[in-house]
Amino acid sequence: DAGVTQSPTHLIKTRGQHVTLRCSPISGHKSVSWYQQVLGQGPQFIFQYYEKEERGRGNFPDRFSARQFPNYSSELNVNALLLGDSALYLCASSDITGVGETQYFGPGTRLLVL
Amino acid sequence: QKEVEQNSGPLSVPEGAIASLNCTYSDRGSQSFFWYRQYSGKSPELIMSIYSNGDKEDGRFTAQLNKASQYVSLLIRDSQPSDSATYLCAVNTGGSYIPTFGRGTSLIVHP
Repeated sequence: DAGVTQSPTHLIKTRGQHVTLRCSPISGHKSVSWYQQVLGQGPQFIFQYYEKEERGRGNFPDRFSARQFPNYSSELNVNALLLGDSALYLCASSDITGVGETQYFGPGTRLLVL
Repeated sequence: QKEVEQNSGPLSVPEGAIASLNCTYSDRGSQSFFWYRQYSGKSPELIMSIYSNGDKEDGRFTAQLNKASQYVSLLIRDSQPSDSATYLCAVNTGGSYIPTFGRGTSLIVHP
């Protein structure tokens, strides 16, 4: 089975621009999470969606938004890009197991803001 | 503030040795614990999960959980140069579906 897929793999933008990142979860997974990872740090939680509803939001400004579609794929949007938004953006999908929800990561989108 | 702490390293071990990676967490309500491996420039890859006190073994990897002391560790036996990577600890608190990640420990296995 295919794993989590993300597009694009790399992206270069300039300050003030807008970016849309896309993610398709593992087949059968209904939950998608977005993370930002800067060099030397662990992934920082941005959003989680389950069954098209926002289930959690991390400590990120309103410039960040996301949504989940009926097929469980998801988009992360970032407006008014800042240099500090340069990072690896990770999407993870999960399926509620009742014991612990394991997150499986996609390959990530590397965003560079100039 | 839920915190997950890891020594950033690098931890350097010779090939064939046991590598021991440690992680402490602040929330006593934590119930699910995960170890991920991340190669440079790549995304995190799940190694194993652990939910109960004690040891869990999977091949050369053993996860150890001690909820009373609030730590979880990962042992890698017979370390190989291909194990050189950053190891991330992630912790879910009870009732939360959102893991908190540590900053990771860099492991270097030298021949």
